[in-house]
Amino acid sequence: AQKVTQAQTEISVVEKEDVTLDCVYETRDTTYYLFWYKQPPSGELVFLIRRNSFDEQNEISGRYSWNFQKSTSSFNFTITASQVVDSAVYFCALSPISNFGNEKLTFGTGTRLTIIP
Amino acid sequence: NAGVTQTPKFQVLKTGQSMTLQCAQDMNHEYMSWYRQDPGMGLRLIHYSVGAGITDQGEVPNGYNVSRSTTEDFPLRLLSAAPSQTSVYFCASSYEGTSYEQYFGPGTRLTVT
Repeated sequence: AQKVTQAQTEISVVEKEDVTLDCVYETRDTTYYLFWYKQPPSGELVFLIRRNSFDEQNEISGRYSWNFQKSTSSFNFTITASQVVDSAVYFCALSPISNFGNEKLTFGTGTRLTIIP
Repeated sequence: NAGVTQTPKFQVLKTGQSMTLQCAQDMNHEYMSWYRQDPGMGLRLIHYSVGAGITDQGEVPNGYNVSRSTTEDFPLRLLSAAPSQTSVYFCASSYEGTSYEQYFGPGTRLTVT
C-alpha cells in the first residue's frame, strides 16, 4: 500500500518570505514516481514536477525547488521569495512505475498555502 | 488540442438518481483515470483504464461504474446517487510519451441531495 503524508494542513507567510512544504511518503515499491501539483482557487490541477525514484538530485525551476531524500522518504517543495500568485493548495503524489505507467496516483491531503501581501 | 474535457461542470442530483459524468481526451493517451476530491482528503482514485476495453478499480470504486470502449472516452457512471458521493470529480489521462505526466480535466462538481 502507498501513503503520502502532508502534515502541514495550512501555511500562511508574508509575501517575499521563503516557504517549504513537506511531503513524506510510504511505499513498498523499489521504483516509483513522486509529483507535486498545484490547485489554485480556480480549481484546476496544475502539474509542477515529476521525480523518478532513481534520481535523487535536487531540482530548481525559477523560484521553485524540490529536495528529494530517499533515506527519509521525503520530497519537500520550497518556494523562494513567495508571491501572492503562489496562494493555492499544493498536493504531493506518489505512483508506482508499472508496466502501464502511472495511471494510479496516491495523493496527500494537500497543504493550503496563503501568501499575505 | 482541447486536452481533457469533462461535462457537465456542475450537477445536482437527488438521492437514488443515476447519471454519467463524461470525460474525453483528444491526445490519444492510453491511460485514463477518475479521481474524487473531498475536503481534507486530497484526491482518491476511483477507477482507471490502461487502454480501450481494460478497466480496473482504484481506492474507492463502490457506487461507480466505468467502461472504455474507445481510447478517447472514459465515462463514469453513478448507479444510484448517494449524499456521500457529493464531491468534485476529476478525470485524467497520461501516456508513456509524456513521461506519464497526468493531464487533468477541469473537474465536475457534483452535489447529491
